[in-house]
Amino acid sequence: SAVISQKPSRDICQRGTSLTIQCQVDSQVTMMFWYRQQPGQSLTLIATANQGSEATYESGFVIDKFPISRPNLTFSTLTVSNMSPEDSSIYLCSVDPDAGGTEAFFGQGTRLTVV
Amino acid sequence: AQTVTQSQPEMSVQEAETVTLSCTYDTSESDYYLFWYKQPPSRQMILVIRQEAYKQQNATENRFSVNFQKAAKSFSLKISDSQLGDAAMYFCAYRNNAGKSTFGDGTTLTVKP
Repeated sequence: SAVISQKPSRDICQRGTSLTIQCQVDSQVTMMFWYRQQPGQSLTLIATANQGSEATYESGFVIDKFPISRPNLTFSTLTVSNMSPEDSSIYLCSVDPDAGGTEAFFGQGTRLTVV
Repeated sequence: AQTVTQSQPEMSVQEAETVTLSCTYDTSESDYYLFWYKQPPSRQMILVIRQEAYKQQNATENRFSVNFQKAAKSFSLKISDSQLGDAAMYFCAYRNNAGKSTFGDGTTLTVKP
């Protein structure tokens, strides 16, 4: 299993600013994932973050808007840059300890409101 | 690309009764995993049950069981003896061997006392 600590749990930000979300895992994992969940909707994968390589972004998400760092096997950050109200969402990180097969463990999410 | 469809945006069940949530998916892969997650208002995603595609036997976890029909690409969740604490949003998810998941749009389950 894996325990994930995600910070901050919520924030209210001014448009045009940036917010960095942290995801700390209590064990080493190869793959970490960042998701966005817009109000009342499903989870959409933003990117996959592997240690030692550039993050892989899904269609519709770009590195300039959502830069990701993965400095080691237990930590990752997602930055939401130049925010607009449309970025108001819940952002979740997850890990898949065995890269497929085991369940994904999720952080408790960051509720972001952009005003 | 894989798709996951949950055709029931909302479902309700009487406490102690049984309810089935539907999920279908589309994939060209032969080896994959299917999951049901529960998301209560606290927004923490909680694993309910998982199924490996290569296993013919349906997974069961206490009051939760699945009906996995691989040929039909169907993966429904049955909740027996429903409890008030089962009320939540339920997501069906598909995961490939690379660990990448695709989620359905979710079903909001209401449990009536």
